[in-house]
Amino acid sequence: QKEVEQNSGPLSVPEGAIASLNCTYSDRGSQSFFWYRQYSGKSPELIMSIYSNGDKEDGRFTAQLNKASQYVSLLIRDSQPSDSATYLCAANSGNTPLVFGKGTRLSVIA
Amino acid sequence: SAVISQKPSRDICQRGTSLTIQCQVDSQVTMMFWYRQQPGQSLTLIATANQGSEATYESGFVIDKFPISRPNLTFSTLTVSNMSPEDSSIYLCSASGTGITEAFFGQGTRLTVV
Repeated sequence: QKEVEQNSGPLSVPEGAIASLNCTYSDRGSQSFFWYRQYSGKSPELIMSIYSNGDKEDGRFTAQLNKASQYVSLLIRDSQPSDSATYLCAANSGNTPLVFGKGTRLSVIA
Repeated sequence: SAVISQKPSRDICQRGTSLTIQCQVDSQVTMMFWYRQQPGQSLTLIATANQGSEATYESGFVIDKFPISRPNLTFSTLTVSNMSPEDSSIYLCSASGTGITEAFFGQGTRLTVV
């Protein structure tokens, strides 16, 4: 059974702080990892993808992957109230369907 | 990224009836998927819509309840049959292209069964 685990939160951070979201996965064959942001009542929006060990930065977002530890994280720098949402971690191998975690609810307090 | 249009965006249906949800992608895609998201929960894969052949269903989902069509590389439908209040959920269409592993989502269909 392929599983992706996330802490459901809520994770509360003050505005301007760094938010750190974590995810682990069970399938060692997973090759591709994604972070989606989902606002309440909306569909998931892809914000980051990462395929190799290390860090990948895109604006205020940094994704980190450690395949040996089967661990993926997302850092959000200078957090803004508009970042308040549920963040979904997902993984797959090749063109297989994404397996999603339950999501972590982030609340950025102004 | 692919633009995915899904309709209807929401509907309220009587129990025992069926609803067909349409998903249109603005470009040819290799893979199309249907997910369900129940209130406060994450996404659960219903099935992979295969072009020109029967859909591949996940455990707990059956063709009689959730028939799926995919007549070409840009369009798919999901029917929720003989609905009960337990089918109230958000249904999401997703697609990914050849050699592309990330998936994009339509805006979802919020279904309420009364």
